[in-house]
Amino acid sequence: KAGVTQTPRYLIKTRGQQVTLSCSPISGHRSVSWYQQTPGQGLQFLFEYFSETQRNKGNFPGRFSGRQFSNSRSEMNVSTLELGDSALYLCASSQGPDSGNTIYFGEGSWLTVV
Amino acid sequence: GESVGLHLPTLSVQEGDNSIINCAYSNSASDYFIWYKQESGKGPQFIIDIRSNMDKRQGQRVTVLLNKTVKHLSLQIAATQPGDSAVYFCAENSSPGGTSYGKLTFGQGTILTVHP
Repeated sequence: KAGVTQTPRYLIKTRGQQVTLSCSPISGHRSVSWYQQTPGQGLQFLFEYFSETQRNKGNFPGRFSGRQFSNSRSEMNVSTLELGDSALYLCASSQGPDSGNTIYFGEGSWLTVV
Repeated sequence: GESVGLHLPTLSVQEGDNSIINCAYSNSASDYFIWYKQESGKGPQFIIDIRSNMDKRQGQRVTVLLNKTVKHLSLQIAATQPGDSAVYFCAENSSPGGTSYGKLTFGQGTILTVHP
């Protein structure tokens, strides 16, 4: 069974540009969440989607957005990139929103903003 | 606010020793806790989880202990091996309103180094 797949794995963008990251959850998983990981802030929750609806949102500016498609695949977008957006962006999936459903992570997308 | 914190940022052990990694959490409403292992350049890898109605759970070479009275979580690794060297994170499920979605609050992480 394939794990959580994230693309692209590495990318470099310029300040002011926008970026879209993609995530394919584990087959059968309907909940997808996104996290940002930086050395200074650690792992921080961005948002979560279930059945194409955003269920939870972290404390990030509106430049960070996401969506989920009917096949549970998800994308996140960051507009007007800033140097501080350089981070590892992690996608995680689980079967559903019930407590106790194991949450599995992908390998992440490394974003460098120059 | 909600937070999950680790007491020890680094831990060095000899191969074959047992390792104990600790974690404190502050949200008494959290009902699900997970330990992840993250190796350099990779995403967090699920190790073991525990629900709040339990105080101990065992896996292969790993045991998680939960003390809700003092809001403390620990991960015990038996017979630690060099391949166990990584950063270990505890995480709590802490969605608003008590409904548990996929929002995890992570601790800062502990770097475990296993010396041959």
